[in-house]
Amino acid sequence: GAGVSQSPRYKVAKRGQDVALRCDPISGHVSLFWYQQALGQGPEFLTYFQNEAQLDKSGLPSDRFFAERPEGSVSTLKIQRTQQEDSAVYLCASSLGGFNNEQFFGPGTRLTVL
Amino acid sequence: AQSVAQPEDQVNVAEGNPLTVKCTYSVSGNPYLFWYVQYPNRGLQFLLKYITGDNLVKGSYGFEAEFNKSQTSFHLKKPSALVSDSALYFCAVRDISTSGTYKYIFGTGTRLKVLA
Repeated sequence: GAGVSQSPRYKVAKRGQDVALRCDPISGHVSLFWYQQALGQGPEFLTYFQNEAQLDKSGLPSDRFFAERPEGSVSTLKIQRTQQEDSAVYLCASSLGGFNNEQFFGPGTRLTVL
Repeated sequence: AQSVAQPEDQVNVAEGNPLTVKCTYSVSGNPYLFWYVQYPNRGLQFLLKYITGDNLVKGSYGFEAEFNKSQTSFHLKKPSALVSDSALYFCAVRDISTSGTYKYIFGTGTRLKVLA
């Protein structure tokens, strides 16, 4: 299908390792969002891209988190020196852009830090 | 800051009965409200949104939601529940920062269980 895809679906990392999570948005979608969803909680905003520009990164919890979207399509969320509290599902969403358009979510990447 | 609250962690309803999943909001200005559903091991799926216009919004899978400004609520409803409606439901509000960027603020979710 032509939905949002994320890889890997599951990632286990040892504390201190770096991880990279990939998001392939729907083709033509201008806006891309990353969210973190802890167990039993709603998704929490991390960062937002409009094309290749990262317009809002206010939700990134620390400077260990870094996101990029260099060509305005695929995005990567990188977490350096992972900690146990980073364990969560990381969701990517894309939308056509504009304030009223709904977001389309990928299946998420479940990160477990041991 | 914008926020939404989902006061019920879980709602149980018998198949065929009407269902309601509650959401209240706190916003400055006009609220832009959304409902999403999350099935196990799948991403969130859009159900419906309220931007402006009629207070009763119809969405996917027979769901609808009623926007009530005086009660600051946006409850999700369905006239006749199906077992397949069992899932996790999230209410969300659009938030716009001073820089003009926007994001969703999600509630904590309500687990709906439809009993056969």
